[in-house]
Amino acid sequence: AQSVTQLGSHVSVSEGALVLLRCNYSSSVPPYLFWYVQYPNQGLQLLLKYTSAATLVKGINGFEAEFKKSETSFHLTKPSAHMSDAAEYFCAVSDRASGTYKYIFGTGTRLKVLA
Amino acid sequence: GAGVSQSPSNKVTEKGKDVELRCDPISGHTALYWYRQSLGQGLEFLIYFQGNSAPDKSGLPSDRFSAERTGGSVSTLTIQRTQQEDSAVYLCASSLVILAGETYEQYFGPGTRLTVT
Repeated sequence: AQSVTQLGSHVSVSEGALVLLRCNYSSSVPPYLFWYVQYPNQGLQLLLKYTSAATLVKGINGFEAEFKKSETSFHLTKPSAHMSDAAEYFCAVSDRASGTYKYIFGTGTRLKVLA
Repeated sequence: GAGVSQSPSNKVTEKGKDVELRCDPISGHTALYWYRQSLGQGLEFLIYFQGNSAPDKSGLPSDRFSAERTGGSVSTLTIQRTQQEDSAVYLCASSLVILAGETYEQYFGPGTRLTVT
């Protein structure tokens, strides 16, 4: 079975500070991992994905994530937070084992950026 | 190009009524997914369609929920005899054909917010 854990349902950072959103996964097969962002009253937008190529993945809006197999982690970072980064962030693993590749989501982290 | 579209954007219905939610996937995407986003349950998978294969209905919470995909494109999620616990945002996503060893990201629609009174 595959699962995703996001530590911290709410994270607050000051504008210009480092953003770190944590994601740990459990998977019986090499995982495909994704980070999505959701702005209020909108759908989910892909930030970045890991599909067994480079372990450091760069995404949109200055975000990046590093796949660490030894730690079963895929944490999302951004060096300098911007007010526009305030949103909810979801980590997901693709269910490769079932063949459907449906997403199994974490519970989400709401990021607040303080002026 | 056009993204995934869903209609209606908001739906308010009375308990016990049936509702239909529509999803138009991105043209050429053969895989289509429905998810539900609710405060108590987070984001959960409901159903998956891939081409002409039998759908994976393993996430449907009860037999009041059903979905179909006509002509390999548009999909309709139907909830019969709605209950208050069905209130949620229903998200549709599509992706390119799934190939062994490959995965393509899912593109999400804006969702339908369903409120059952």
